[in-house]
Amino acid sequence: AQKVTQAQTEISVVEKEDVTLDCVYETRDTTYYLFWYKQPPSGELVFLIRRNSFDEQNEISGRYSWNFQKSTSSFNFTITASQVVDSAVYFCALSTNAGKSTFGDGTTLTVKP
Amino acid sequence: GAGVSQTPSNKVTEKGKYVELRCDPISGHTALYWYRQSLGQGPEFLIYFQGTGAADDSGLPNDRFFAVRPEGSVSTLKIQRTERGDSAVYLCASGTGRDTEAFFGQGTRLTVV
Repeated sequence: AQKVTQAQTEISVVEKEDVTLDCVYETRDTTYYLFWYKQPPSGELVFLIRRNSFDEQNEISGRYSWNFQKSTSSFNFTITASQVVDSAVYFCALSTNAGKSTFGDGTTLTVKP
Repeated sequence: GAGVSQTPSNKVTEKGKYVELRCDPISGHTALYWYRQSLGQGPEFLIYFQGTGAADDSGLPNDRFFAVRPEGSVSTLKIQRTERGDSAVYLCASGTGRDTEAFFGQGTRLTVV
């Protein structure tokens, strides 16, 4: 069975603060993929990043960075210098060769001006 | 349009009625997914199509739910004898193959009264 846990239900920060969203996953598969999606108030899920289980390199994209650690089964997401437009629900997801994704319950991020 | 299109955007139906939800994937995408999202939760996998065939329908909750994709493009999710517990946002996503990023539509909000 696969499981994704996002322990932080809600996070509130003030603009320009850095914020890290945690994601812990469980799977018995050795090959798997991890994703982060953003769901703004409009409701449409927006893809942010995909990593495979063999690539533990951290990745940075602008103000976004991701820390993948297989030893702790974690795939954390950091937003540097947060902005009001970053306010959304963020989902971490896990996919194996079966093709379907298991999502966490999301973290609601509120960035206040 | 270039994105995944779902119709209708909202559907209110009476308990016991039959409903159909439509998904137009991104042109050329062979993979198509249906998810269901309840308030405060992450998307829950329902079914995955690769081409015309259902590669994995293990997420369909019971035999009242059925989905088709007859020509490998548009998909229809069909729910018979709707129940109040079926109320949720039904999300469709498409991709170029399993384990690649999925592009989501804005969803159909189904309310069973």
